[in-house]
Amino acid sequence: AQSVTQLDSHVSVSEGTPVLLRCNYSSSYSPSLFWYVQHPNKGLQLLLKYTSAATLVKGINGFEAEFKKSETSFHLTKPSAHMSDAAEYFCVVNLYNQGGKLIFGQGTELSVKP
Amino acid sequence: ETGVTQSPTHLIKTRGQQVTLRCSSQSGHNTVSWYQQALGQGPQFIFQYYREEENGRGNFPPRFSGLQFPNYSSELNVNALELDDSALYLCASSSGETQYFGPGTRLLVL
Repeated sequence: AQSVTQLDSHVSVSEGTPVLLRCNYSSSYSPSLFWYVQHPNKGLQLLLKYTSAATLVKGINGFEAEFKKSETSFHLTKPSAHMSDAAEYFCVVNLYNQGGKLIFGQGTELSVKP
Repeated sequence: ETGVTQSPTHLIKTRGQQVTLRCSSQSGHNTVSWYQQALGQGPQFIFQYYREEENGRGNFPPRFSGLQFPNYSSELNVNALELDDSALYLCASSSGETQYFGPGTRLLVL
């Protein structure tokens, strides 16, 4: 079965410091992986996606993620946090063999301190 | 903005009632998926429609049903509402593997 595990339910950083949100996946074949962000009382916004091209994927707002097959990881990073980055972040896998159903991780809440 | 719209934005119902939620997909997208997001949880897949046919279903009872129209807009219907149906309902449209989400409809069942 395919799934994703976000290793931290809550991460707190200071403005201007790096962000690391961790995600591990399990899949019987090469998956498509995504990171979405959800600001309070808002829908989901696509940050970036990995679809078996380059393993280092750049997204919007300075975020990037690296696909590491050997570690089954897809961690999200940003060099310098901004106050506006405070939100809930979801790591997501696409199940091709189930009509493109998305499976979401449990989410990581990112807090950014001034 | 993704171009995916949902209506209404908020809704209050009582147990046992029925509700219909609507979604307009992004131009050029022929697939709509629906998700339920309970408070503090990640979204859970309800079902997906492709060219007016159901194309996959999650672990939700039959009282959750849907439709997709020729213009690819979609409806989610929930019968016999229960308190646990209170959640944010998200629809997403796609024409490939990337799904683009609308702002959601927040349903409260009293």
